[in-house]
Amino acid sequence: VQLVESGGGSVQPGGSLRLSCAASGFTFSSYWMHWVRQVPGKGLVWVSRINSDGRNTRYADSVKGRFTISKDNAKNTLYLQMNSLRVEDTAVYYCARDLYGVGPDFWGQGTLVTVSS
Amino acid sequence: QSVLTQAPSASGTPGQRVTISCSGSSSNIGSNTVNWYQQLPGTAPKLLIHSNNQRPSGVPDRLSGSKSGTSASLAISGLQSEDEADYYCAAWDDSLNGYVFGIGTRVTVL
Repeated sequence: VQLVESGGGSVQPGGSLRLSCAASGFTFSSYWMHWVRQVPGKGLVWVSRINSDGRNTRYADSVKGRFTISKDNAKNTLYLQMNSLRVEDTAVYYCARDLYGVGPDFWGQGTLVTVSS
Repeated sequence: QSVLTQAPSASGTPGQRVTISCSGSSSNIGSNTVNWYQQLPGTAPKLLIHSNNQRPSGVPDRLSGSKSGTSASLAISGLQSEDEADYYCAAWDDSLNGYVFGIGTRVTVL
């Protein structure tokens, strides 16, 4: 099982970024997936979840209406489109596979998003 | 402020047993299963316990989880230096309609 995030970087407040998470080693189309973020030195905060076929999504209130999670099962890739970024969105963003509805099991190494003017 | 309450720190000497508690409510731990994660410095979290007390393959049996009502706990027996890490409890919250984590407990091996 391997999850590799990419797309992080520096952006100004109000800007946009799209994170990607390339999955391999498992049947991606059968699994729900999550995005979780962590401010360096702080705790884990759940961001969003998507079901296996991509039709059902959930978001934390802090990102609802600004972030969009999606997955391309043909490309084995999970995405997080982040719009209207705020300074408080600065964090390491992890993608994680869901263990059959009980929560994240396997995690990627994370990608850092910095929102600053 | 997290929905799930954990003590910020815990410690023990090598060989001791350390227990980490996680307190929630009826909308999260009280109605859903609890997972525990270990995060070593500079690395991604690793699932230690899922479904309250189930160990994934490769997790040693000196780690165990339990749940009672709206609280859960993780026990580490035979504490080793490699156990120095942050430990997070987590569960789905039906009221928030989202996954919630505790603030994390930093375990120090003295």
